[in-house]
Parts: sequence; structure tokens; C-alpha cells
Amino acid sequence: QQPVQSPQAVILREGEDAVINCSSSKALYSVHWYRQKHGEAPVFLMILLKGGEQKGHDKISASFNEKKQQSSLYLTASQLSYSGTYFCGTAQTGANNLFFGTGTRLTVIP
Amino acid sequence: GAGVSQSPRYKVTKRGQDVALRCDPISGHVSLYWYRQALGQGPEFLTYFNYEAQQDKSGLPNDRFSAERPEGSISTLTIQRTEQRDSAMYRCASSLPREKLFFGSGTQLSVL
Repeated sequence: QQPVQSPQAVILREGEDAVINCSSSKALYSVHWYRQKHGEAPVFLMILLKGGEQKGHDKISASFNEKKQQSSLYLTASQLSYSGTYFCGTAQTGANNLFFGTGTRLTVIP
Repeated sequence: GAGVSQSPRYKVTKRGQDVALRCDPISGHVSLYWYRQALGQGPEFLTYFNYEAQQDKSGLPNDRFSAERPEGSISTLTIQRTEQRDSAMYRCASSLPREKLFFGSGTQLSVL
């Protein structure tokens, strides 16, 4: 039930873009995205609901393709503060529990 | 409270001892989740509650692990007869139904 994320790690220079992918083998109701910095708790970024919606938050946006059970997180013009590990969390149709992927470690360098 | 509160922040115990980890969710949050997180890994689902009802405990590793939320607020995760492999960060999160999760700072458990 754990979603699969790719890539496992990525290194960017400030200003570059990145895409993080999340896929599940189960029918999904929603996808969450969280960012976790070293030694801290995961922090919510955005939630996407069934319906194939896209959302944006400053220069971070995401899409959800419910037919493919896939979601992607887009980070544009990356900043040093974007560094951290990104997790997607998936909720299946008819269930309320959230399963997290293994994470994508993003490092932004000057 | 202002955020999800977990206690203790650190717990060191000897193998074979029982431990109880506490979670105080955000006031009014219906759903409460327990996760275990190994270093460098994603949160691993253990169990979750809506109000006082345990909705899913399929993630609990074995019958040494149990959780309760008797009054629909504070929750306790209990590990009996601890083993070294139980060492990890245990995180609690709370939310309104089907909304974003707010995580606590976690309890770092070390079993010697």
C-alpha cells in the first residue's frame, strides 16, 4: 500500500526546476505532499483530491492523475529553503488512513 | 493546544520493559494517527482513530503493540516487552477528517 516515489534524491542549483513523482497501485481518493527538514517533523504542503486537479503554492505546484494513480510535485526556480525530504501520502478510496512513500531527498546548492 | 504534543521527547529503555508513548492532538481534531519513522525513511503507518474508535490497526507490527484513545482526545501507544528492533522515532499526527495532517515532534525510542 506504500506509494512509490522517484527520484530517491536530486541535487539542484538555486533557480533550477525539479519534478518529484508518486505512484500507487491502489485507487486513490487523495494525495498529500509534505516536506521534512532534518530533525524536524513533516510539514504539510498541499492536498489534491480525486478529480485530476492541480494546485499551486507560490512556486510549488502539483498534479494528480486519478486514472493512473499518479501525482507529481513541481518545484520551479528552486530556493535554498526548498532543501529537505519530500514525501507523498496517499489515501485510498473508502479509507481515511494515509500511507507515505519512501521520500525524495532534495538538496539545493548556491 | 496550539500543536500536537508528544511525550516523552526521548525514551531510553531496557529490552523487555514496557513503554507508553503519549500523544495530545490539536483540540477538535477528530482523526489521530500513529506512525513509526526510521532514519532516512518515510513515516510507516501503524494505526489511526476517528474519535475514540480505532479504525485501522493493520500497521501494528505484532501483538506487542497496542494503542488507545479512550475519550477521543489523548492517545497512548504501548509497546510491551520491548526489543531492540523497536528503536525508532514514533510520530503522532492529528487532523480533521480527510484534511491535512499536523505532526508532533515525535518520541525517539531507544531500546538497549
